[in-house]
Amino acid sequence: DARVTQTPRHKVTEMGQEVTMRCQPILGHNTVFWYRQTMMQGLELLAYFRNRAPLDDSGMPKDRFSAEMPDATLATLKIQPSEPRDSAVYFCASGFGGSTEAFFGQGTRLTVV
Amino acid sequence: DQQVKQNSPSLSVQEGRISILNCDYTNSMFDYFLWYKKYPAEGPTFLISISSIKDKNEDGRFTVFLNKSAKHLSLHIVPSQPGDSAVYFCAASVVYEDMRFGAGTRLTVKP
Repeated sequence: DARVTQTPRHKVTEMGQEVTMRCQPILGHNTVFWYRQTMMQGLELLAYFRNRAPLDDSGMPKDRFSAEMPDATLATLKIQPSEPRDSAVYFCASGFGGSTEAFFGQGTRLTVV
Repeated sequence: DQQVKQNSPSLSVQEGRISILNCDYTNSMFDYFLWYKKYPAEGPTFLISISSIKDKNEDGRFTVFLNKSAKHLSLHIVPSQPGDSAVYFCAASVVYEDMRFGAGTRLTVKP
């Protein structure tokens, strides 16, 4: 059952704390996306990787957000320090380069209080 | 900078009728367009796509139309069913690059 796995599913944290969200892409996929869902903006692209190399992270607030792919089976999105305005659902998606259909995980619902 | 826009946040239709969801884009470099469907507490799932070399793609009850000159695409669902009630996201990309989404349209199909 190939699917994108995100952990944790829910995270409540206090303002100023570090938050790390993890994503296991579908085995063999070489493109990984991070999106944030908000009411106003819909699905905002934060960053994406191809073959583990970051291709575009212009959607991320650089001072507090960072995205990495330590290996082909793990992508991470880190927020440090977190702020209440970061509260949202964060989705990871993976796909093949050249084929733009992406498969999404179930998301991490982040609440910063 | 919203390159993909879905100007209708919600749409309500009667079961059996046609649902038409609209999407506009501003980047003329986009050459691949997709529709995703999202249920609560789940990630979006791919529904249908269209390449810029076509103006129509059909898959069962779902048809996507592309008007490149107007930078507009639409998703038609015929006939609409209660199970189609979900949030629909339009997405656009330049092939081999990233994918930009609209804000979504919540479709409600009433029995």
